[in-house]
Amino acid sequence: NAGVTQTPKFQVLKTGQSMTLQCAQDMNHEYMSWYRQDPGMGLRLIHYSVGAGITDQGEVPNGYNVSRSTTEDFPLRLLSAAPSQTSVYFCASSYSGARTDTQYFGPGTRLTVL
Amino acid sequence: AQSVTQLGSHVSVSEGALVLLRCNYSSSVPPYLFWYVQYPNQGLQLLLKYTTGATLVKGINGFEAEFKKSETSFHLTKPSAHMSDAAEYFCAVSGTGANNLFFGTGTRLTVIP
Repeated sequence: NAGVTQTPKFQVLKTGQSMTLQCAQDMNHEYMSWYRQDPGMGLRLIHYSVGAGITDQGEVPNGYNVSRSTTEDFPLRLLSAAPSQTSVYFCASSYSGARTDTQYFGPGTRLTVL
Repeated sequence: AQSVTQLGSHVSVSEGALVLLRCNYSSSVPPYLFWYVQYPNQGLQLLLKYTTGATLVKGINGFEAEFKKSETSFHLTKPSAHMSDAAEYFCAVSGTGANNLFFGTGTRLTVIP
């Protein structure tokens, strides 16, 4: 199993550009999520999905879109990048989405918006 | 509301000394608590978790944590620090609905030879 994979590892954008961060998991997990990590702020939830076709907002959803067309993939879209979106982005997945489930994290994407 | 407070953004210990990383939580429902470790330029890895049952939870790499409801705490300990323990540690509490985690701001552990 590859676990949770994320691409790209690094990305530099200019303000106003759009891009998609890719996330895939091969563990047949129902629950997937996106977090952003900023210095001194820990990780904050952006969006999550409890299954294919179902998504919902987390703590900091503004400026980001998601969709879940398959169980395996959960891409995160930045429609018009802003410097405030400079961060490290982590995708995570868990078996069922139950509160007790362990979340498995990908290696992260480091995004810089100039 | 769910939240986590980690006291001490940086902790330094000597190799072989006790490691104590502090975590206090707030939860509007019975809490499920997690400790994750992040090594440089990597994702997060679960150390241990408390769901129900025994309040002293043992995890990987010799770490353990004790859930104390009266103190709303879930401190992480290890009897003897090793150089390989140098990393950032995050405490998290599960949300009220789905498996959404609320993280503390993290504690960076430095181990001095």
